[in-house]
Amino acid sequence: EVVLTQSPGSLSLSPGERATLSCRASQSVSSNNLAWYQQKLGQAPRVFIYDASTRATGVPDRFSGSGSGTDFTLTISRLEPEDFAVYYCQQYGSPPLTFGGGTKVDIK
Amino acid sequence: EVQLLESGGGLVQPGGSLRLSCAVSGFTFSACAMTWVRQAPGKGLEWVSSISDNSRGTYYADSVKGRFSISRDNSKNMLYLQMNSLRAEDTALYYCGKAPRGGAWSWFDPWGRGTLVTVSS
Repeated sequence: EVVLTQSPGSLSLSPGERATLSCRASQSVSSNNLAWYQQKLGQAPRVFIYDASTRATGVPDRFSGSGSGTDFTLTISRLEPEDFAVYYCQQYGSPPLTFGGGTKVDIK
Repeated sequence: EVQLLESGGGLVQPGGSLRLSCAVSGFTFSACAMTWVRQAPGKGLEWVSSISDNSRGTYYADSVKGRFSISRDNSKNMLYLQMNSLRAEDTALYYCGKAPRGGAWSWFDPWGRGTLVTVSS
């Protein structure tokens, strides 16, 4: 099983700042099959990035995904008020599907 | 518009059973794999089960294998999760999600709003 470790567990930032979220895999993620989801309180998760670096439809270009192998990063270049949420990574390269524990981005 | 609506959750005693349903609309259901993911109160996301577009592939997390069964009815645009031998640790909000293609090993979007399963005596 591919274990995904997200860091930091929480991040306190101000609007306009840059956020860098990490997702580290216990083994190489096949074909960089990694997605990032945003979840706001009381809502279902929504995919923001898939295939490690492809933005989903409607996702602003301030969000970018990068990385390969075992190290992946979600970057939010300039935080907007609506970006404060929990972000999860998920790998789908090897069964079983697994999620990271999440990074909470909150307002400083 | 793609819509997914879960139902069937509720309060059940340990050892009991529930059947969750997910009604979908707005896309070609028979062309897409589907998944169930759960979230315990205040916790993160946990994959439960996935099924390929034609039902030939069904997959389960070790934590539910042998107790849960995923199925779909492509003629009715419905996804199901039969949950037996329920345990307290199965208490969670259960989401169904849509894959972009027929293969079950995928990312999923969108998801429904979830249905709450509470296992307690």
